Amino acid sequence: SQKIEQNSEALNIQEGKTATLTCNYTNYSPAYLQWYRQDPGRGPVFLLLIRENEKEKRKERLKVTFDTTLKQSLFHITASQPADSATYLCALDRYSGGGADGLTFGKGTHLIIQP
Amino acid sequence: KAGVTQTPRYLIKTRGQQVTLSCSPISGHRSVSWYQQTPGQGLQFLFEYFSETQRNKGNFPGRFSGRQFSNSRSEMNVSTLELGDSALYLCASSLYRETDEQYFGPGTRLTVT
Repeated sequence: SQKIEQNSEALNIQEGKTATLTCNYTNYSPAYLQWYRQDPGRGPVFLLLIRENEKEKRKERLKVTFDTTLKQSLFHITASQPADSATYLCALDRYSGGGADGLTFGKGTHLIIQP
Repeated sequence: KAGVTQTPRYLIKTRGQQVTLSCSPISGHRSVSWYQQTPGQGLQFLFEYFSETQRNKGNFPGRFSGRQFSNSRSEMNVSTLELGDSALYLCASSLYRETDEQYFGPGTRLTVT
């Protein structure tokens, strides 16, 4: 069955360093992958979308890579700040039969940026 | 532009009751998706509506249903509530497709006692 794995343990990073989060998937051939940020008690917020034919995408301090051979996406936050502390979710489009079948989310990685 | 709104924000119900949750998408967005979020299972796709039609459905029992109105507003209904239905229910809207970038509402926290 289709499976998405994100590091379930919290990731502690020193302020100013680069935080790297991993999203691995199996039994999937997604057309694209998305990253979201979720703060406690709030809905997820869209950050970046990367398509299968794109290797890398950037937005300000954020960078996403997508390796369809390794079935892995890496999400980087450079010059990290305490305000970046949150849970980060990856999501893949799921197709069954002839059409899209919604997004499947990983369970998220809790990132803590320590001052 | 106003974001996605959900009402109510918090709800406490008793086992066996039914509940209706409401979602107003971003103006111009035609696709509305519903998700259930629990600590154990994470975010799980319930269903998606587009132009008043359910276009996709996740793997949830028939007790979970929804509908969409002509103004794109959507409601979700859960009948015969079970303790395991306690969760954060999130509504998300997107322009056309449920796999486009999703704009989430703040969610409705449902507690079943």
